Amino acid sequence: GEDVEQSLFLSVREGDSSVINCTYTDSSSTYLYWYKQEPGAGLQLLTYIFSNMDMKQDQRLTVLLNKKDKHLSLRIADTQTGDSAIYFCAVPSGGSYIPTFGRGTSLIVHP
Amino acid sequence: EPEVTQTPSHQVTQMGQEVILRCVPISNHLYFYWYRQILGQKVEFLVSFYNNEISEKSEIFDDQFSVERPDGSNFTLKIRSTKLEDSAMYFCASSEYREGPEQYFGPGTRLTVT
Repeated sequence: GEDVEQSLFLSVREGDSSVINCTYTDSSSTYLYWYKQEPGAGLQLLTYIFSNMDMKQDQRLTVLLNKKDKHLSLRIADTQTGDSAIYFCAVPSGGSYIPTFGRGTSLIVHP
Repeated sequence: EPEVTQTPSHQVTQMGQEVILRCVPISNHLYFYWYRQILGQKVEFLVSFYNNEISEKSEIFDDQFSVERPDGSNFTLKIRSTKLEDSAMYFCASSEYREGPEQYFGPGTRLTVT
């Protein structure tokens, strides 16, 4: 089955860019997702990318997809304290629409 | 904005007891899901439900688990005889379409089995 890996913690200074990385094993997914979880809240779909794209930009968010290396990244420009949350990479395994989640990266933004 | 709601937010139960976790999906959604996250581990898929039947389930979803849509608004997950290892955060999600990115998640129910 699909295996999705991401680092557990990232600490950045307010105003800097944050880059959260993710690797996966199954490359047949149509969509690849990034979810955000704020304290006490559920998982919120932050952004997604079609597998036939290599980049998607949405305001402060940039998603990069390297299908050859099976690497997905999320860049947050001008990171704010309100961006502090856990970010989950999620990739459906082959033939399924059900996402397999990574363990989540805790983004800590300090002044 | 419509949202998925879950009750209770925290449930404490003794080993061997039955628990029912409740979810109210977004009203025009047709596909419903349960996931769980054991503390410090990955979010894991349990089951998906469409048209009053299970459409997909994982290896975790054994005979101890069942799901039901008892009326037009609620979607429930029942664990028949809880074990210590069932302690986790349980997330309900719903979507309008089977495929596509838009799965909306509830805030979760933290289940603690003692």
